[in-house]
Amino acid sequence: GENVEQHPSTLSVQEGDSAVIKCTYSDSASNYFPWYKQELGKRPQLIIDIRSNVGEKKDQRIAVTLNKTAKHFSLHITETQPEDSAVYFCAATPDEKLTFGTGTRLTIIP
Amino acid sequence: DAGVIQSPRHEVTEMGQEVTLRCKPISGHDYLFWYRQTMMRGLELLIYFNNNVPIDDSGMPEDRFSAKMPNASFSTLKIQPSEPRDSAVYFCASSPLRGGEQYFGPGTRLTVT
Repeated sequence: GENVEQHPSTLSVQEGDSAVIKCTYSDSASNYFPWYKQELGKRPQLIIDIRSNVGEKKDQRIAVTLNKTAKHFSLHITETQPEDSAVYFCAATPDEKLTFGTGTRLTIIP
Repeated sequence: DAGVIQSPRHEVTEMGQEVTLRCKPISGHDYLFWYRQTMMRGLELLIYFNNNVPIDDSGMPEDRFSAKMPNASFSTLKIQPSEPRDSAVYFCASSPLRGGEQYFGPGTRLTVT
């Protein structure tokens, strides 16, 4: 089955700086790569996703890049704000069964 | 739409008791997933259904866990008997299509003492 590794496990950045979270996956058949944000005590919510036929996708301050050859994908958050503080999960799937990374706790320092 | 609905939101029970968690997916969503989240193990998929049929239950930890989906608008996850190590947040999620966004419910925080 799919195996997803996520780094770093914790990340602290100054407000206004950029944050980057990286994930690798094992199954070359995986074709869907979502990123979820989970605030403390809340449910995971999708913030951006990418499919294997696309190399990069942007949505305002958030972007995701995918390197199929290397089997890794990354989340980029620019101009970070206090409300970006949360746990972020990457995931991958070749079908409908998502395999999640272990999460990155992002803290934005005012 | 109200989103995915789960009940109860919190459950505290004693070891050995039966626990039933409930989920109502978003109308029209063909896929329903049950996850367990703990600090130690992260977000784990327990079982998922497609059109009310269980597709993959390989994540169910042991026979004490069972899940059903009697119709398109209702699913249950049952633990019998419960143990302290079952303490976790259990999420239900639904999706309208294969390999697409999953919409999570608010979760049920289970504490087994």
